[in-house]
Amino acid sequence: GNSVTQMEGPVTLSEEAFLTINCTYTATGYPSLFWYVQYPGEGLQLLLKATKADDKGSNKGFEATYRKETTSFHLEKGSVQVSDSAVYFCAEGLSGGYNKLIFGAGTRLAVHP
Amino acid sequence: DAGVIQSPRHEVTEMGQEVTLRCKPISGHDYLFWYRQTMMRGLELLIYFNNNVPIDDSGMPEDRFSAKMPNASFSTLKIQPSEPRDSAVYFCASSLTRGGQDQPQHFGDGTRLSIL
Repeated sequence: GNSVTQMEGPVTLSEEAFLTINCTYTATGYPSLFWYVQYPGEGLQLLLKATKADDKGSNKGFEATYRKETTSFHLEKGSVQVSDSAVYFCAEGLSGGYNKLIFGAGTRLAVHP
Repeated sequence: DAGVIQSPRHEVTEMGQEVTLRCKPISGHDYLFWYRQTMMRGLELLIYFNNNVPIDDSGMPEDRFSAKMPNASFSTLKIQPSEPRDSAVYFCASSLTRGGQDQPQHFGDGTRLSIL
């Protein structure tokens, strides 16, 4: 079946460091791809999305580019803040509009001052 | 706009008791999902509905779990009888069909369930 693989955490960075969280997917075709963020005690919030190859999703300084050739959707941010500390989930949609998403295991990010 | 609303936010009960979790999806959304999140197993999809009809319940762990969606604005997840291993955070999410492409799901804040 389809799956999403994320780099294992925790990822620990100093404030203003560059962030990359790797994500690869297995769905064939052109699934929609998503990044969600979960802050402590809260539900998952949509961070960004991309719906076709070479699309770049961006929000709050985070970016991810849909790479069909490498089946990847890596999350990046040029300068992280302490407030970015959270768990990040990559997800793929099952092509066909059924709105069912396959989530990765999540990557915990801790940013220190 | 109101988001997905779940109740209660926290539930502590004794083993063997019936537990009912409630969810109000975003108005107009036609998909509703129930998830369970634990440290050991991560985020698991339990069941999802389309237009109030259950589409896939293969993630429901046991017959002790049941879910209903009597109308477009309300769903319940019931555990009867509850066991300590059911302790987890349960999330409800909803989404809207649009143009044949997968749409993002919008999550509630979850119900933190503790079975003693």
